[in-house]
Amino acid sequence: KNQVEQSPQSLIILEGKNCTLQCNYTVSPFSNLRWYKQDTGRGPVSLTIMTFSENTKSNGRYTATLDADTKQSSLHITASQLSDSASYICVVSDRGSTLGRLYFGRGTQLTVWP
Amino acid sequence: EADIYQTPRYLVIGTGKKITLECSQTMGHDKMYWYQQDPGMELHLIHYSYGVNSTEKGDLSSESTVSRIRTEHFPLTLESARPSHTSQYLCASSAREAEPNSPLHFGNGTRLTVT
Repeated sequence: KNQVEQSPQSLIILEGKNCTLQCNYTVSPFSNLRWYKQDTGRGPVSLTIMTFSENTKSNGRYTATLDADTKQSSLHITASQLSDSASYICVVSDRGSTLGRLYFGRGTQLTVWP
Repeated sequence: EADIYQTPRYLVIGTGKKITLECSQTMGHDKMYWYQQDPGMELHLIHYSYGVNSTEKGDLSSESTVSRIRTEHFPLTLESARPSHTSQYLCASSAREAEPNSPLHFGNGTRLTVT
């Protein structure tokens, strides 16, 4: 069964600290993996997209890594800011259809305290 | 910021009422989607469209219907709202199939409460 599991479910860190969010998936055949940030009351916004051949991709203070062999991804946030408080969602796409079926994780709720 | 708009942002309505959730995008995207999201849960696809006059049901069984008469407009209708329809509804769009790695652009959602 194709699944996307994220950990931790929630995380609280102090402003300025770094953190790493995890995503494990069983989706096959794999096409790409995306990380989205969803602020409370808003729609998700794309942070990164990685294909099979990409190991790492950065977007400002956000760095995503992908290990397609172990089917794991991480999102590292450097020097956290209060505005980083949000839900971070891992989404994996398969190659089994022209639609590119998307499998969503439940997200990690990150809270950054001053 | 993506140019995709949903109205209303919040809606409280009584059981049995007919409602339409609006979604419009100005990016010329062919593909559009409706997702349902409950707190702490993953997004579930309820409808999608490849283009004008194309609509398909998603993975989650839904009593709603959609239409795609114009590229930019993808409204979702509930003929008779029930409390079980209480949820967050997110509309999204993406570029054509030639760009399979293009991201989804989401609207800010409609929070529906059926009393």
